[in-house]
Formats: sequence, structure tokens, C-alpha cells
Amino acid sequence: ILNVEQSPQSLHVQEGDSTNFTCSFPSSNFYALHWYRWETAKSPEALFVMTLNGDEKKKGRISATLNTKEGYSYLYIKGSQPEDSATYLCARTDSWGKLQFGAGTQVVVTP
Amino acid sequence: NAGVTQTPKFQVLKTGQSMTLQCAQDMNHEYMSWYRQDPGMGLRLIHYSVGAGITDQGEVPNGYNVSRSTTEDFPLRLLSAAPSQTSVYFCASQTSGSVDTQYFGPGTRLTVL
Repeated sequence: ILNVEQSPQSLHVQEGDSTNFTCSFPSSNFYALHWYRWETAKSPEALFVMTLNGDEKKKGRISATLNTKEGYSYLYIKGSQPEDSATYLCARTDSWGKLQFGAGTQVVVTP
Repeated sequence: NAGVTQTPKFQVLKTGQSMTLQCAQDMNHEYMSWYRQDPGMGLRLIHYSVGAGITDQGEVPNGYNVSRSTTEDFPLRLLSAAPSQTSVYFCASQTSGSVDTQYFGPGTRLTVL
């Protein structure tokens, strides 16, 4: 994998349901994996930074896991709420701190 | 702290015009970056800086210039605007290094006619 790829591009979730989506990235020369939450008409806001294989991070109902050997990360949303509607971006950093972003997964939670 | 500020919020240019997008941060961050956001393409890095006096190209640098004379400011210059530069531009800063969170400005929506 040469680029950071996110799937699916978009998903619709019923309120109360749980969901997850994927970020795939080049595993070579890996330093860190970032997740951002991006609401419409706002700026991206950081959720997690993960560095170690097997890392798990949690913030409220949102959690993330990291597999650096195979080059993927999952983001989970438990019991989705309408306020979780946003685009979720992942980004991989190199040794210089440059971020390479994926195109994002747009999540729409319907009541 | 104001965080990362960007001006203007909106701008319309004609093809061939030049302008500078301003970015400033008051968090004493060493690293600053400029991104453009286009539908379906996420954020793409234009230029970045790891400290005052040091800049480097990102993924899509053509048509843009930057300079970093102070830690606080990182302006982005469009020398001769083209319709392909119609986009939303985000400036971001971080302390330094690969594991530090980037903080984003509110964005500038640029339209080139």
C-alpha cells in the first residue's frame, strides 16, 4: 500500500447501533497513526494518536486499535448517536512529522 | 490562546491574480503545514515547515510559495491563481515530531474564476 486508504467511503448507521471502519497504511517506516473527527463547516479535531503495535485507545464511545505489522487501524463507535455524524480521517506520519491523510469515512447517524 | 487563525475566511479571485493566505498560531509550535481539501480527496499537504527559516514541499506544491520568517506566521502565496486552485485551505500547527497532535485553523474557502 503506497497511500493511506479508508473504507468504506461513507456509511449510514441507525441511532443506537455500533459500527466500525478501517484505515490501511504503508507499514514500512511507520511512526504514528492519527485519527481526526471532522464535522461539516468546522476544522478537523484530534481523537487519537497511536504508535505501538496493539495499541488501543478509547474516548467515550469511540475507540481505536492499531496493527502496525499489517498496516491497519480500526475505529469503533459504540451505540452511535446523531452527534457522532462526521467525517473520520486517519493520517500516518513519517519521521519528520508530515501527515499523510486518507480520504476519510463519512458517518451519518439517523435517529 | 487563539490557537491557529486564518484570514480571510472566504476569497474570490480571477484567474491570474495573486494573493496571500495568512496563518498564525500563538502556541509556540515549531511545525506548521498547509493543506488543501477537495471533495473525495481528503487533505493534501501543500507545504510544511519544521521551524522558522525552514520550509519544504508537500504532495501538491506547484503554484504555491511559502516562507517562515517567524515561529508564529506561515503565509501561503498563490502567485498566479488558476481555477484548479479552487479549494478549501487549512493551516495546521503542532509542537514537533510524529506523535504530536496537529491543530487546525478554521479554513479559507477560495474560489478562482
